[in-house]
Amino acid sequence: EAQVTQNPRYLITVTGKKLTVTCSQNMNHEYMSWYRQDPGLGLRQIYYSMNVEVTDKGDVPEGYKVSRKEKRNFPLILESPSPNQTSLYFCASTKLAGVKLSEQYFGPGTRLTVT
Amino acid sequence: AQSVTQLDSHVSVSEGTPVLLRCNYSSSYSPSLFWYVQHPNKGLQLLLKYTSAATLVKGINGFEAEFKKSETSFHLTKPSAHMSDAAEYFCVVPGGGGSQGNLIFGKGTKLSVKP
Repeated sequence: EAQVTQNPRYLITVTGKKLTVTCSQNMNHEYMSWYRQDPGLGLRQIYYSMNVEVTDKGDVPEGYKVSRKEKRNFPLILESPSPNQTSLYFCASTKLAGVKLSEQYFGPGTRLTVT
Repeated sequence: AQSVTQLDSHVSVSEGTPVLLRCNYSSSYSPSLFWYVQHPNKGLQLLLKYTSAATLVKGINGFEAEFKKSETSFHLTKPSAHMSDAAEYFCVVPGGGGSQGNLIFGKGTKLSVKP
């Protein structure tokens, strides 16, 4: 089954404790992206990757890192989480049609709480 | 820079009546545009997309949207609401800097459907 998986689905952690949220897709998509969703703000893009070893900042990259060593995986790293990073996080992937994006497939979400 | 504005944060309709969710965009070129739906506690699913092939776009579940360049609008409509349409809807446009990878989400419109 074609899908985007995220782990963990729920995470409660403390300020400053490094964490990684994994994202994996089995559709051979070139493009992957991370978003955070906060009430009243919609989804905001954190980082995206157009292909292996190619990553770019979205609108809210501060406090986050990503890497794209393999096509299927795009982990999100919080080196020193803070309470303002408490949010619902979504990973997404899509194929590229030239320079245009096709439909994005979203993961189920990771609810992160930083105390 | 590209931007998208969803004009209503909350829309309430009765079952069987028409649905109109409004979206205006700002873009220096003819963009791709998307509508996504998020049901409660679920991920996001593509409803429809505009990629300059036809101005009237039909999507899933009876939804459609019309791209109007003169009004910079991409409003989402459905002739007859169903209870299962209750969800949050997001209008999305590729962002600025010439990169189609940076996606800008509207803040969302929550649709309520009354019996």
